[in-house]
Amino acid sequence: DIQMTQSPSSLSASVGDRVTITCRASQGITSYLNWYRLKPGKAPKLLIYAVSSLQSGVPSRFSGSGSGTDFTLTISSLQPEDFATYYCQQTYSTPPTFGQGTKVEIK
Amino acid sequence: EVQLLESGGALVQPGGSLRLSCAASGFTFSSYAMSWVRQAPGKGLEWVSAISGSGDSAYYADSVKGRFTISRDNSKNTLYLQMSSLRAEDAALYYCARGSCSTTSCYRFDSWGQGTLFTVSS
Repeated sequence: DIQMTQSPSSLSASVGDRVTITCRASQGITSYLNWYRLKPGKAPKLLIYAVSSLQSGVPSRFSGSGSGTDFTLTISSLQPEDFATYYCQQTYSTPPTFGQGTKVEIK
Repeated sequence: EVQLLESGGALVQPGGSLRLSCAASGFTFSSYAMSWVRQAPGKGLEWVSAISGSGDSAYYADSVKGRFTISRDNSKNTLYLQMSSLRAEDAALYYCARGSCSTTSCYRFDSWGQGTLFTVSS
């Protein structure tokens, strides 16, 4: 199985901050990389698919980049609803695997 | 609006069985493959199983193969996960998600439910 490693595991930030989360795959996954946001008691939300494509309805402050094995999710200006846990996911091969998550907390 | 509503979570003894359901609305259910993803307490996300839109093909994580069975009833717009020989490590919040997998790769999971929780306790 492909292992996905996210960093950092957690971070503290303020509203308006620029936040960057990285995700590394144990082997090349071309562009089969997605990002999700999880909030307690709510349905997980797909933010970015295929590395950099913004899911319909997702604000433009979210962006993704990368290729091969190294990928990044950037939130350009953190909003109150963005305090959550973020997961990357590879769908290059079955089983699809997720990173361990990055918890974004209020500073 | 796509809606997915899971149900069936309970407290189960080790070795027991349980069936989870996911009622879908807001889209043509039979046209989409579906998946189950779980999150154990304090842990990350783990893909469990996927099924094609017709129900003809199913895929499983090694950790549940032979114990879990995914199925669907397209006339009822409902996805199921039959779980048996349950272990403590199966206890988790189980999400259904719209998204497909094949033997080689998967597609993004673009809609999710809020999950249903089951715990294993003797």
